[in-house]
Amino acid sequence: QVQLVESGGGVVQPGRSLRLSCAASGFTFSSYGMHWVRQAPGKGLEWVALISYDGSDKYYADSVRGRFTISRDNSKNTLFLQMNGLRGEDTAVYYCAKEEIAYDLSGALDYWAQGTLVTVSS
Amino acid sequence: EVVLTQSPDFQSVTPREKVTITCRASQSIGNSLHWYQQKRDQSPKLIIKYASQSFSGVPSRFSGSGSGTDFTLTINSLEPEDAATYYCHQSGSLPGLTFGGGTKVEIK
Repeated sequence: QVQLVESGGGVVQPGRSLRLSCAASGFTFSSYGMHWVRQAPGKGLEWVALISYDGSDKYYADSVRGRFTISRDNSKNTLFLQMNGLRGEDTAVYYCAKEEIAYDLSGALDYWAQGTLVTVSS
Repeated sequence: EVVLTQSPDFQSVTPREKVTITCRASQSIGNSLHWYQQKRDQSPKLIIKYASQSFSGVPSRFSGSGSGTDFTLTINSLEPEDAATYYCHQSGSLPGLTFGGGTKVEIK
């Protein structure tokens, strides 16, 4: 069955960096686009970034463009989110999520990880 | 960026009652609109894709309709386990994908 397991969250000071990982199993990872979506405490969902199945296309929300970088290692079935210049408003639970349709760039998200909490605080 | 406006923000409903949640897009997105259910302390789960297609394993009491700018999620005969926050999500406008603000459904 599809499994997405995140790691890398934690407490970090403003201005510092953090890298999130999302290990995938149960499907052909290299065939699916992947997303990061975040949720600030007590708030709604906010889309963060998208990467195509082969890593050739990447898109970002305005709020993170230039600070965050999405990437993937298809040989290790792993998705990453490199977060630099972190701010208080980046405090949130971060989810990785899988595109439903293979080779699709933007569609429904059919499986989500359990989420990892990132807290930006001095 | 396409803005999605959900209504209502909150709904308190008795079991077996019908629930209707709307999602309005600031510009036409065809049928590229999806619905998710998020229960307390859980990750979101896909329930309706492309406006009206039920995702695998989702109970038949959940249905979706609409196209263009106006969409509806309907829960027929609400069950206690349906207490959750429901979000719409549009995938029709890259690079800015967006979610609605959410509708919390409480069981009376």
